[in-house]
Amino acid sequence: EAQVTQNPRYLITVTGKKLTVTCSQNMNHEYMSWYRQDPGLGLRQIYYSMNVEVTDKGDVPEGYKVSRKEKRNFPLILESPSPNQTSLYFCASSGSGGGTDTQYFGPGTRLTVL
Amino acid sequence: GQSLEQPSEVTAVEGAIVQINCTYQTSGFYGLSWYQQHDGGAPTFLSYNALDGLEETGRFSSFLSRSDSYGYLLLQELQMKDSASYFCAVEGTTDSWGKLQFGAGTQVVVTP
Repeated sequence: EAQVTQNPRYLITVTGKKLTVTCSQNMNHEYMSWYRQDPGLGLRQIYYSMNVEVTDKGDVPEGYKVSRKEKRNFPLILESPSPNQTSLYFCASSGSGGGTDTQYFGPGTRLTVL
Repeated sequence: GQSLEQPSEVTAVEGAIVQINCTYQTSGFYGLSWYQQHDGGAPTFLSYNALDGLEETGRFSSFLSRSDSYGYLLLQELQMKDSASYFCAVEGTTDSWGKLQFGAGTQVVVTP
């Protein structure tokens, strides 16, 4: 089954404790992206990757890191989480550019930073 | 930069037609996309307009007019399952291919 998986689905952590949210897709997609979703603000892009070893900033990259060492995986790293990073996070992938091709979203990761 | 505006909520009865407008301010972009998101779920892709005009996919149609900086999603023959949030999104310009910006979303409420 074609899918994007994220782990964990739910996470409660404390300020400053480094964490990684994993994202994996099995569709051999070149494009992957991370978004956060907050009430009233819609989806905001954090980072995206056009291909392996190619990443770029979205609109809200501060406080986040990503890496794309292999095509299928695109982890999101919060080196020192803060309460303002409490949010719902989605990973997505598509065959090419994010808007020109169908973008498939993972189920989401709900993160709470205390 | 880009900013997209959508109405926050639209209510309609089953069988009706709903149009969700998306106005934007941008110097140029590749295309306009639409996504649907049910409560508690992930967004799902609905449509994409690269060129001006109407794209039809079953009960849903999407329209783009670059000269008017405006697009819309048309939902026809509304069903209860269409109750969801709908987001428009634009993809960046030549120096930011792959960068997407979303509107805040429109909550569509379908009543019996």
